[in-house]
Parts: sequence; C-alpha cells; structure tokens
Amino acid sequence: DAMVIQNPRYQVTQFGKPVTLSCSQTLNHNVMYWYQQKSSQAPKLLFHYYDKDFNNEADTPDNFQSRRPNTSFCFLDIRSPGLGDAAMYLCATRAGGIGNQPQHFGDGTRLSIL
Amino acid sequence: SQQGEEDPQALSIQEGENATMNCSYKTSINNLQWYRQNSGRGLVHLILIRSNEREKHSGRLRVTLDTSKKSSSLLITASRAADTASYFCATDAGGAQKLVFGQGTRLTINP
Repeated sequence: DAMVIQNPRYQVTQFGKPVTLSCSQTLNHNVMYWYQQKSSQAPKLLFHYYDKDFNNEADTPDNFQSRRPNTSFCFLDIRSPGLGDAAMYLCATRAGGIGNQPQHFGDGTRLSIL
Repeated sequence: SQQGEEDPQALSIQEGENATMNCSYKTSINNLQWYRQNSGRGLVHLILIRSNEREKHSGRLRVTLDTSKKSSSLLITASRAADTASYFCATDAGGAQKLVFGQGTRLTINP
C-alpha cells in the first residue's frame, strides 16, 4: 500500500545534540509537510515543500531546518534541541495542484530530550 | 489566531450511543476536513466536505457544513470502543496548500 513512513518511531537525544528525523513516501505526492504536535494539542505546521520550493512558517524557530533531496524523502533537522522541542513530529504529504485533496500522515516520531 | 475551535474538548459516551463534535472556523474555505488520531499515532483522514456541499456521509460518519455560520459537525453513529480517539477538523482555504486545524475533541467510548 502507498504510504508515508517515518523513522524512527521513537528518538531520544541529548540537550543540544543535533538530531535528524526522516520521512519517506510512496504516494508520489509533490507536497510534503512537517508538523510538531505536543500533548493534547493540534498539530503545528513547521514548514512545507511544494516540489522543491521550501515554505517556512513565520514562527518556526531557526533551530529547525529541513531538506528534501528528492520527491520521496524529506528530513527534519533540529540543530540544537532544547527541552521544549520534546514532542511528536508528524510528516504528511498531499497531491498539490489538484483541488480538494486531503493530507496523508505518517505515524510520527516521538522525540525525547534528555 | 486563525485556528478553528472545536467543542466539546472531551466527550465520553457509552458504546452504541451517537457522538457529535462541532467545529467553528474564521475564514472563507475551499473545503473542511475531519481527521482521527489514535493515541501515539498519526492523523487519518476521515472525510472531506467541499464549501458547496452541506452534508456528506461515509459509513457511520455524517458531516454537515454551514458556511454562513462558519461551522461544521461530525456525527458518529452507533459508536464502538474502537472509535476512541482524538478528532480534528481542519480547514483548507486553497492556494497556500496549508490546513488550519482545530484544537480537537478527545472522544472516549466506554464499553
């Protein structure tokens, strides 16, 4: 089945130690999103790619970066994780350029900061 | 904030009863979507209703949309324990490829 896969499901890192989360998709969607979700809250959009075009949200900290080397893969880099960055990180895709399409989510990576 | 509002924030009912969740939003939309999130998992798309539609059904789900009131409701009929999850509405204003999520309703179905 076509899907969105996030690895790893659980990630533990140390305060200040860079960490990379990965997302891959077999849907061939041209739009990919990264969300941060804290407990009992709605997902918060960090940024998204439309094809190769990167779109950052105004309130996303500079500590968060992203790379999309090809259509299938997207990475979230946190350069110096702080305790407040502990959260679930969700990747999603969408077929852009076609109206009225839903987003397809992976199962997320839960990030813990020691 | 452009985030939508959902109510109730939490809902607990007995298995077999119907569950209704409401969503209000602030801006004009192309469509409104409902997602389910099981604990520790990603969001799963349930249903999409376009701005020119007023009601849509999918299995035990019924969604209504009132664009004049900027509101939507999700009805789950004959609830099951497996329906226990958080439910989010999200609005798509078109163009920017982004969704605006509501705060979610945490639904608990008691056996």
